[in-house]
Parts: sequence; structure tokens; C-alpha cells
Amino acid sequence: EAGVAQSPRYKIIEKRQSVAFWCNPISGHATLYWYQQILGQGPKLLIQFQNNGVVDDSQLPKDRFSAERLKGVDSTLKIQPAKLEDSAVYLCASSPRTRKNEKLFFGSGTQLSVL
Amino acid sequence: SQKIEQNSEALNIQEGKTATLTCNYTNYSPAYLQWYRQDPGRGPVFLLLIRENEKEKRKERLKVTFDTTLKQSLFHITASQPADSATYLCALDRGSTLGRLYFGRGTQLTVWP
Repeated sequence: EAGVAQSPRYKIIEKRQSVAFWCNPISGHATLYWYQQILGQGPKLLIQFQNNGVVDDSQLPKDRFSAERLKGVDSTLKIQPAKLEDSAVYLCASSPRTRKNEKLFFGSGTQLSVL
Repeated sequence: SQKIEQNSEALNIQEGKTATLTCNYTNYSPAYLQWYRQDPGRGPVFLLLIRENEKEKRKERLKVTFDTTLKQSLFHITASQPADSATYLCALDRGSTLGRLYFGRGTQLTVWP
């Protein structure tokens, strides 16, 4: 079974530039999550999708971050414009979500450096 | 908001010993608690889940306990091996329909030969 795919693995940009990350969850997984993990910290949830609908984006900085999951499959997370403090690993995760509190399957993440 | 503390940032033990990692939480009690392993440059990998009405859960050399009175979970690795070296994250779920997982910052475990 293929895992959660993310690209690119690394991205270096200058502040005020824009960047986009892509995620393809495990086939058949209804729920998709984007997490931000700053060095030395645990993952922080940015947004959660159930199929193609947003169920939780309360911690997403909506003035600069946006995400979409068209057709309820793959997803894109965008930052525009980027700030220095956005330097982090952006992790995508998915779960079947057939019942509460299932385990999450994570991708390897995209490491973003904002200079 | 929920606050999660994982004991020390780093734990170093000798091969063959038992590693014990602590996860303490404040505010509301989670309905579930999960433990994940994260290796450098990789995403977290699920290890174990324990529910609030369970005291203990085991899987091979791993054991998790959940004390809702102390608001604490302990994660044990028995007969530790160098391959167990990684960062271990605890995550709490209130059991709501949203199912948001709050992660601790993790404990970096190093097992030396």
C-alpha cells in the first residue's frame, strides 16, 4: 500500500515570496490534515479536510495561508507571502476516518526555509 | 487550551535497559492518547493508542499506561536497542467529532550500545 506522498521535499525561498506544497493521501482516506512542525516542537494542526470540505481551519493563518482539496483526493497548501517564521516542516497526514480517533498516516513532509 | 509536556527533551540509556518517557497534560482530559515515533527527516509513525478507560496497553516491547487522575501517560520500551533511537511524540484527542490531535514536542531517545 502506497503511503502519503508529498512534494517537494525541500524548498528554499526568500521572504515575501509565495510557495505551494502538494499532498496525495493514501487511496480511500477521507480525512486529510496539514500540520506545521517547527524545529524542536511537535506538529501543530493547520487545517483538516473531510473529503473536499474543511472541518477545522481554526489555526490556519488565513491572511497568508490557504489550502484546498479539490475532488476530495490530493491537496495543496499555499503560503503567500512567506515570512521568516514560516520556516518549518509541513506535514500532510491522512486517515480513513470511519470512526473516531483513528491513527494518522503521515508523509515525510516538505522542509521550508524562508531566508 | 490543552497543554502537553513530555518529560525531558532528551533521554539517553544503555542498550538492554527500559526507557520510560512521560507525557503530562493539563486542562481537559483526553478521551484517547496516541504515541508516535519520528525519525529525522521523516513524518511521525503511529505506535500505540490507549483510551481513557484503559489503564495499560502493550505491543511487543512497548507498553503505555494512562492515569487520568495524575493526567499522565507513561511510555515504556523494554530491552531497548540502538534502533529504538528516535523522537517519541504523544498526542491527545478529546474524542470530539473534529478529532483534533494535540501533539507534545517529543522526547528524543538515544540508546547507546
